[in-house]
Amino acid sequence: GAGVSQSPSNKVTEKGKDVELRCDPISGHTALYWYRQSLGQGLEFLIYFQGNSAPDKSGLPSDRFSAERTGGSVSTLTIQRTQQEDSAVYLCASSLFRGSDTQYFGPGTRLTVL
Amino acid sequence: AQTVTQSQPEMSVQEAETVTLSCTYDTSESDYYLFWYKQPPSRQMILVIRQEAYKQQNATENRFSVNFQKAAKSFSLKISDSQLGDAAMYFCAYINQAGTALIFGKGTTLSVSS
Repeated sequence: GAGVSQSPSNKVTEKGKDVELRCDPISGHTALYWYRQSLGQGLEFLIYFQGNSAPDKSGLPSDRFSAERTGGSVSTLTIQRTQQEDSAVYLCASSLFRGSDTQYFGPGTRLTVL
Repeated sequence: AQTVTQSQPEMSVQEAETVTLSCTYDTSESDYYLFWYKQPPSRQMILVIRQEAYKQQNATENRFSVNFQKAAKSFSLKISDSQLGDAAMYFCAYINQAGTALIFGKGTTLSVSS
């Protein structure tokens, strides 16, 4: 079956602009995660959605970052007023029910902020 | 706080040989899960193997096997009969039973030569 998909694959933006990154989880997976992968920080958790529960936003680095998940499926990660330090690969993952279920990753979006 | 340490930033192996990647972790939990993920240059994180901490038996998946030492908090990955396609960055990851986010090590870059 189809895996996790993300779009765009690459995004180049200017400092100060807003960007939206999209994630389509595996059909039937109720849990969705966003991670950020950067050279200096490795892989960091950003946010977690489970069904209709309030998301776990504990990993979001600043209030410029937000995410939503519509209809329990597609998720959008929004970064407002982008900064150069936001440059990274943003990975989305989904799992059947919870975090300890195997998480399956998408191919990521490489964000470059000039 | 839980941490995952991969002490080998880079490893190399020749085709058909065996290589072992190291991973240690720190946790006070008794019920948790450990993973090895592979990330080739395409960026796609691919699950290699999963281990439940309550299982004594080491997980295996074809040429990939782990040596799980719970008391020592060690979780190494052995790749047998290495192939050129095994070249990638390998990440060790941890999550506890109630956890939402994977905690990753910094990764080990594996190169395979013919």
